[in-house]
Amino acid sequence: NAGVTQTPKFQVLKTGQSMTLQCAQDMNHNSMYWYRQDPGMGLRLIYYSASEGTTDKGEVPNGYNVSRLNKREFSLRLESAAPSQTSVYFCASSEYGTAYEQYFGPGTRLTVT
Amino acid sequence: GESVGLHLPTLSVQEGDNSIINCAYSNSASDYFIWYKQESGKGPQFIIDIRSNMDKRQGQRVTVLLNKTVKHLSLQIAATQPGDSAVYFCAENPPSKYGGATNKLIFGTGTLLAVQP
Repeated sequence: NAGVTQTPKFQVLKTGQSMTLQCAQDMNHNSMYWYRQDPGMGLRLIYYSASEGTTDKGEVPNGYNVSRLNKREFSLRLESAAPSQTSVYFCASSEYGTAYEQYFGPGTRLTVT
Repeated sequence: GESVGLHLPTLSVQEGDNSIINCAYSNSASDYFIWYKQESGKGPQFIIDIRSNMDKRQGQRVTVLLNKTVKHLSLQIAATQPGDSAVYFCAENPPSKYGGATNKLIFGTGTLLAVQP
C-alpha cells in the first residue's frame, strides 16, 4: 500500500515550457487535491476533485489545469510555466465528505527559471 | 478573506516537556479544525481533528482545544520527543456558501517545533 505517489520528485523548467505533474492513490479515495506550498507559507489549494468526473477551482487556480483521469489518478498541468509557479506541489486524497483528513504525497519540487 | 494564522512561528522546547502550539482562525462557521504535522522533505500528515461542537479532543500524547469564543485553537503535545520536531499547521474546513460541508481546507502558515535533547 503506497498511499499517495507523485512524479516527478524534482523538475526544472524554463519560462514558457509546459509539463504535467502526476499523482496516484491506492486507498480507493473519492476526493483528490492539488496544493502548492511556498517558503514560509501554508498550503494553498489549486484544484480539487470531490469525486471521479468532477473538478473545481481552489484558491489559486490561475495558470493550472487538472484532469481526473480515473478514480486513482489526478494530474496537474502547467501550460506555460512562469517563475511565480516555482513551488513545492503536493497531491492529497481523502474519503468523500472527510476533507479534514487528507493523505498527502511526498511532493514535487518545481523550479521555473 | 478567510484566514487561519499562528501566533508563534518557532517554538523551542526541551525533550520531555509539554508543547503548546497555538492558532487563530477567522471563520466561526467552519465545521472542522485540524492539525497537520510536516517533517522536513515530506508531505503533511494528519494528526487530529476537532469538530466545532466540541471543546476538547484527545489522541495519543496530543490534545486539541477549541475556544470558539475567541476563535482559538491549540495543540498540546505531552512529553515532547525529538521525533516531534516538525512544522505544525492548523487548518479549517469552512462551509460552502450554501451551508453544507466543503472539500476545502484552509491552512495556516505553520509553526516550527524544535525539540532540544
